Amino acid sequence: QSALTQPPSASGSPGQSVTISCTGTRSDVGAYNFVSWYQQHPGKAPKLMIYDVTKRPSGVPDRFSGSRSGNTASLTVSGLQAEDEADYYCNSYARSKNYVFGTGTKVTVL
Amino acid sequence: QVQLVQSGAEVKKPGASVKVSCKTSGYIFTGYYIHWVRQAPGQGLEYMGCIHPNSGGTRYAQNFQGRVTMTRDTSITTAYMDLSRLTSDDTAMYYCAREPPDTGAFDIWGQGTMVTVSS
Repeated sequence: QSALTQPPSASGSPGQSVTISCTGTRSDVGAYNFVSWYQQHPGKAPKLMIYDVTKRPSGVPDRFSGSRSGNTASLTVSGLQAEDEADYYCNSYARSKNYVFGTGTKVTVL
Repeated sequence: QVQLVQSGAEVKKPGASVKVSCKTSGYIFTGYYIHWVRQAPGQGLEYMGCIHPNSGGTRYAQNFQGRVTMTRDTSITTAYMDLSRLTSDDTAMYYCAREPPDTGAFDIWGQGTMVTVSS
């Protein structure tokens, strides 16, 4: 199972929006609603930000939103804040009956 | 509150095995899958597999089949990940994470266990 494809980096100024893509195939991102996104700050464990493509866990700001078109899922962070600077990973269930992570995107707040 | 607390850092020689524990608390252990994910230094997240604590059923990622064994002890609400035939490529932070039923998402993570493989 190959990793899902994410851009290595993305950036935006405070208050702006940034969107990260996560491209898979018809066997993973395009096939199941089990698509999730994780935020990871340096030296910390990942944190769940989005699940089931579009749902936000309790406590996650509504500045974070998820969507999907075909085999590509996206995470949008609106109203960027300094604390949003982190690495972000997508994850999807796959037809192999396992899960696969994306390659990761480093978000920089300018 | 819900917690996953992992065992401490390990240093192993090539060819050895390592067993990492994940002690859970604050929820019904048998109701949630436990997944294992690793992250090599400076690299991305890599999925390893999962165990359902109720049945003991496991699914392993292809990259680890034959080398990984996931088990659990329901009496002490603890999951374990055993990785054998270690090489330097297995040097990584190893995380356990909980999956609520029918979400396909990992909502609570352990703090991570650093495993270093060095001769």
